[in-house]
Amino acid sequence: DSGVTQTPKHLITATGQRVTLRCSPRSGDLSVYWYQQSLDQGLQFLIHYYNGEERAKGNILERFSAQQFPDLHSELNLSSLELGDSALYFCASSVASLSSYEQYFGPGTRLTVT
Amino acid sequence: TQLLEQSPQFLSIQEGENLTVYCNSSSVFSSLQWYRQEPGEGPVLLVTVVTGGEVKKLKRLTFQFGDARKDSSLHITAAQPGDTGLYLCAGAPTGNQFYFGTGTSLTVIP
Repeated sequence: DSGVTQTPKHLITATGQRVTLRCSPRSGDLSVYWYQQSLDQGLQFLIHYYNGEERAKGNILERFSAQQFPDLHSELNLSSLELGDSALYFCASSVASLSSYEQYFGPGTRLTVT
Repeated sequence: TQLLEQSPQFLSIQEGENLTVYCNSSSVFSSLQWYRQEPGEGPVLLVTVVTGGEVKKLKRLTFQFGDARKDSSLHITAAQPGDTGLYLCAGAPTGNQFYFGTGTSLTVIP
């Protein structure tokens, strides 16, 4: 158990819908990272927040957005969902602001868009 | 084109054999990390290598960072079925954007 929690574990929804994925970092960690993992693209970095502020953006679509709240939990919002958005979504947390520091991953949310 | 290319992509070996997984890039990294991921679970950090030429050992696993800090390797001695999983290298060459490698899926057959 990494100490990072993600909810829900599974999510099934239809195209065009909007969903919110939630992540609680390890106690004491200020950084939260979001990743998308699909069979054809591998593990792709989406976005990084540190202590409530956005630090880096990766391959995140405009239909996707994220935020980190004062209690340090984070939410990833996915809207106008398409079939291709079906994937595993992981969040990770780290104590530092540098992404090269050790990251601890949650168990993931499996999103299925039908 | 991926920033971090791993080879081989798939590896199936018998228990007790040795193997090496490679992670290569044209970019220089301040550090590289190796993770292992099991199906349906998040990656778990194995090691971080920081200095060019550095060698780190974790039981039967040996990690090496290239002298130019553009590549790394993972060598497993006497592989066990419990070593089965997806091995990923990862790092941030510039700024704060983090990249994972293409992955090596290892299967160790009892």
